[in-house]
Amino acid sequence: QPVLTQPPSSSASPGESARLTCTLPSDINIGRYGIHWYQQKPGSPPRFLLFYSSDSHKGQGSGVPSRFSGSIDASANTGTLLISGLQSEDEADYYCLIWPSNAYVVFGGGTKLTVL
Amino acid sequence: EVQLVESGGGLVQPGRSLRLSCTVSRFSFGDFAMSWFRQAPGKGLEWVGFIRSKPYGGKTEYAASVKGRFAISRDDSKSIAFLQMNSLKAEDTAVYYCARVYSTGSYVLFDYWGQGSLVTVAS
Repeated sequence: QPVLTQPPSSSASPGESARLTCTLPSDINIGRYGIHWYQQKPGSPPRFLLFYSSDSHKGQGSGVPSRFSGSIDASANTGTLLISGLQSEDEADYYCLIWPSNAYVVFGGGTKLTVL
Repeated sequence: EVQLVESGGGLVQPGRSLRLSCTVSRFSFGDFAMSWFRQAPGKGLEWVGFIRSKPYGGKTEYAASVKGRFAISRDDSKSIAFLQMNSLKAEDTAVYYCARVYSTGSYVLFDYWGQGSLVTVAS
């Protein structure tokens, strides 16, 4: 099963933007499957943030602010979660996920976001 | 509000078995696939497997790391999903989560999660 690569940590100050990346192996075309993002705070289960495949094929989780958005760089086979106007409550672990088929699901290793 | 509650976790010796339950309420359980995940202490999330709803044959899928040792089943009459874990190893030590699988028609997501049940495999 493929491995999705996420930087282990990232940091930014309140009000700034944070860009969290997720790189797929070359044999998995991100444009074909799209990418999902989940947020997990300590002691809590994950929460679905959004799905992004293209500007016409995307979706936001229930109650997720619009300052969370997704994008894809197909040339780099990388998905990005953009968090604008960072708030202290955004400090959490963020995981990307793909469904390469209807038979399995793969998570990235997660990025710990620190709001300075 | 939709609720999922895992139970059945605890301390178990290597090589033994354990069955987790995921009891749900406030949604039509039989209409949804259900999935299990785990998270080892201080580590990231790992998908364990899922079971489709009966209209889709109730078929199961598993991660390679647990295939052949773990089995997911469901009792739609009681709104419970099960994770049967056999031949447990120390590396199976984790918090186990169940989640509802929801299809928007355009993509699939895990929209509701339980709080998790800790399984510790140690002698």
